[in-house]
Amino acid sequence: NAGVTQTPKFQVLKTGQSMTLQCAQDMNHEYMSWYRQDPGMGLRLIHYSVGAGITDQGEVPNGYNVSRSTTEDFPLRLLSAAPSQTSVYFCASSIRGNGGANVLTFGAGSRLTVL
Amino acid sequence: RKEVEQDPGPFNVPEGATVAFNCTYSNSASQSFFWYRQDCRKEPKLLMSVYSSGNEDGRFTAQLNRASQYISLLIRDSKLSDSATYLCVVNVMDSNYQLIWGAGTKLIIKP
Repeated sequence: NAGVTQTPKFQVLKTGQSMTLQCAQDMNHEYMSWYRQDPGMGLRLIHYSVGAGITDQGEVPNGYNVSRSTTEDFPLRLLSAAPSQTSVYFCASSIRGNGGANVLTFGAGSRLTVL
Repeated sequence: RKEVEQDPGPFNVPEGATVAFNCTYSNSASQSFFWYRQDCRKEPKLLMSVYSSGNEDGRFTAQLNRASQYISLLIRDSKLSDSATYLCVVNVMDSNYQLIWGAGTKLIIKP
């Protein structure tokens, strides 16, 4: 049971380039989400999905797109990378509807540097 | 004011000691509370949920004080392996089910 798998683990981009961070889970979780983690700040929600075909914006969605064509996959696309998007990105999933007790399972993270 | 505030530390604690840290939250409508642990350059992992009556899991005890809007984490008989950053998480029950994360408290256990 792999849990949540994120790729790539590390990526360096130049300003203006685009890329996709991949996320897959094999736990049949309805809820999937993307966070970014920056020094001195709490995790901030970028986008989330409560099921296949449904996505919504989180706290910091600008510059990112997502899609959820299957229950398992939730890719995050950076449209035109900027240095402000240098961060560690985490994908996380959970069984939704558990009384609001959203216990998240995280991927190992993707460390992105934008030059 | 941040919605969820934690002392960033680091807390430098000798092995075997007891350590406690708090997390304050600003939204009185907060419903669910959690402590996650994050090792250096790793992903966060759930340590424990925090229940209204307080709860214990081995050496770890979590308390909730709704009147003063804070949660606490107590670690007894600390081990070297407890060295990590502890993240406080609050769930405000709205339609988005969004979690609000503290920036974490770094704990270093010294031999």
